[in-house]
Amino acid sequence: EAGVTQFPSHSVIEKGQTVTLRCDPISGHDNLYWYRRVMGKEIKFLLHFVKESKQDESGMPNNRFLAERTGGTYSTLKVQPAELEDSGVYFCASSRNSVNYGYTFGSGTRLTVV
Amino acid sequence: DAKTTQPNSMESNEEEPVHLPCNHSTISGTDYIHWYRQLPSQGPEYVIHGLTSNVNNRMASLAIAEDRKSSTLILHRATLRDAAVYYCIHSGAGSYQLTFGKGTKLSVIP
Repeated sequence: EAGVTQFPSHSVIEKGQTVTLRCDPISGHDNLYWYRRVMGKEIKFLLHFVKESKQDESGMPNNRFLAERTGGTYSTLKVQPAELEDSGVYFCASSRNSVNYGYTFGSGTRLTVV
Repeated sequence: DAKTTQPNSMESNEEEPVHLPCNHSTISGTDYIHWYRQLPSQGPEYVIHGLTSNVNNRMASLAIAEDRKSSTLILHRATLRDAAVYYCIHSGAGSYQLTFGKGTKLSVIP
């Protein structure tokens, strides 16, 4: 099966601009997650979708971040306006409808805000 | 936060077995133990998970202590491709969040 695809792989934007990251999960995976690693820190959970519904968004840092999953397929994570501290690697993962299955992560989007 | 303790780094010779330890003394009775690894410039990769019994799959084995406060990931024959950061995570049965720590950086010596 095809893996989790993230686009773009790299993005460099100026502070104050808007960036949209996209994630295509594995077909049939109802669960979709966003994680990120900012410089020097550990990988942190951002949010969890079950189909098109946000199940848990407790990790979203602030209201500059907006995640959507239209139709329960692909997801987007928009950062508006971007700040310097948003720089890092954003990972998307998907899984079947049970915590007993492993998560499949994408390769990530490296975001640099200058 | 579901905390685990792992050594910062370990080394292994190629084609030898590797035992990666993890302490998870705060684990509750229904928490699963997960292991992921991250190769350079890639996202985390699922390795194995278990609850109480030892588990085997094509990648590795997971040995869980009887009191479940520690576990060991076993790579039976390390290859250069196994050089990565290995993360031990425990999460509640109803929780879908993975709490990553610093992990163990495994180096494999040819």
